[in-house]
Amino acid sequence: EDQVTQSPEALRLQEGESSSLNCSYTVSGLRGLFWYRQDPGKGPEFLFTLYSAGEEKEKERLKATLTKKESFLHITAPKPEDSATYLCAVQARNAGNMLTFGGGTRLMVKP
Amino acid sequence: DADVTQTPRNRITKTGKRIMLECSQTKGHDRMYWYRQDPGLGLRLIYYSFDVKDINKGEISDGYSVSRQAQAKFSLSLESAIPNQTALYFCATSQGALFGYTFGSGTRLTVV
Repeated sequence: EDQVTQSPEALRLQEGESSSLNCSYTVSGLRGLFWYRQDPGKGPEFLFTLYSAGEEKEKERLKATLTKKESFLHITAPKPEDSATYLCAVQARNAGNMLTFGGGTRLMVKP
Repeated sequence: DADVTQTPRNRITKTGKRIMLECSQTKGHDRMYWYRQDPGLGLRLIYYSFDVKDINKGEISDGYSVSRQAQAKFSLSLESAIPNQTALYFCATSQGALFGYTFGSGTRLTVV
């Protein structure tokens, strides 16, 4: 059974204080790992897809990296508008287009 | 207009009632999904459809049914609502495997 565990559950940062969110996964053959951002009262918004170990992708202050067992979402010099819940999901090779999601990390950035 | 529109946004219903949640999309995607989100449990797949004639059960389909009326419309029904179906429900679409999903804004359902 595919599993995704995100840590920490919640993270409080001061504006400008860089940190990382973790996504550990077990999957029977990874096809892709996805990161989403979810704001309160809204649906998740797609950020990145990573396909293979060693791959990195960046968007503004966010950088996602992937190893064979986990992915990190690095947030550099965060701003209050980066406050959101960040979701990680995996897609297995034999799972069609379906995603298995982790529980999310709620990030709060204080000014 | 939003790419993926869910109605209603909020609904309170009584135990035993039948309720339908609707989803429509303007993305032109063939693939559509229904997920529910519960605190601490993440998003879990209820049903998915890869085209109008294709309907598949997801991880937690018991107590739910779906209808794919057209490429753009995918409805979720609770035949006889129960309190543990209280949750946030999301519809999503995708272009294909390895493409990110586009989610609607969700329906907050409370069963009392």
